[in-house]
Amino acid sequence: SYELTQSPSVSVSPGQTASITCSGDDLGHKYVCWYQQKPGQSPLLVIYEDNKRPSGIPERFSGSISGNTATLTISGTQAMDEADFYCQAWDNASLVFGGGTKLTVL
Amino acid sequence: QVQLVESGGGVVQPGGSLRLSCAASGFTFSTSGMHWVRQAPGKGLEWVGFIRYDGSTKYYAESVKGRFTISRDNSKNTLYLQMNSLRVEDTSVYYCVKGLLQELFVWGQGMLVTVSS
Repeated sequence: SYELTQSPSVSVSPGQTASITCSGDDLGHKYVCWYQQKPGQSPLLVIYEDNKRPSGIPERFSGSISGNTATLTISGTQAMDEADFYCQAWDNASLVFGGGTKLTVL
Repeated sequence: QVQLVESGGGVVQPGGSLRLSCAASGFTFSTSGMHWVRQAPGKGLEWVGFIRYDGSTKYYAESVKGRFTISRDNSKNTLYLQMNSLRVEDTSVYYCVKGLLQELFVWGQGMLVTVSS
């Protein structure tokens, strides 16, 4: 079965840039989405189709993909951005999530 | 605004059955694909399955195939998840999600299902 790999945790200082990566076979030929989940809340779509932001998502969230690795970048990270982030792709009639990355802002 | 409200969760014994419902409002339910996604306590997200807007196509995760069935009633703006032969490892918060086949746009608040003897 298809797998997406994320680092378990990333730390960033307020105001700095956070990069969260997601890797998978042939990922460059699939659409990647990113979800943010804060404690006790439902996940929120922050990036879809690799690099598109839904309405209401701040411009500091951006997505990119190169080869087999997708990256979620948060510019000027704020304390309110601290959350778990999940990447997601579709493969062979199945929707797959990465294991999640805990972003700590300290 | 788009609202998805799950109901029907609770505690069930291993081997038992449960049906979750998801009441949709704020959008044209009959033209929207829908997913179920679950999350075990303290764990990551796991996709359960998808149903096309007209119910003609369904996809399921291998872990639930043959045990879970997704259905919808467009006249009632309601999505369902029938769960049979439940296992302890099915214990999760279950989310109803509006989306395209490959994208999950709007999530419900989630409903806890606990499988325990």
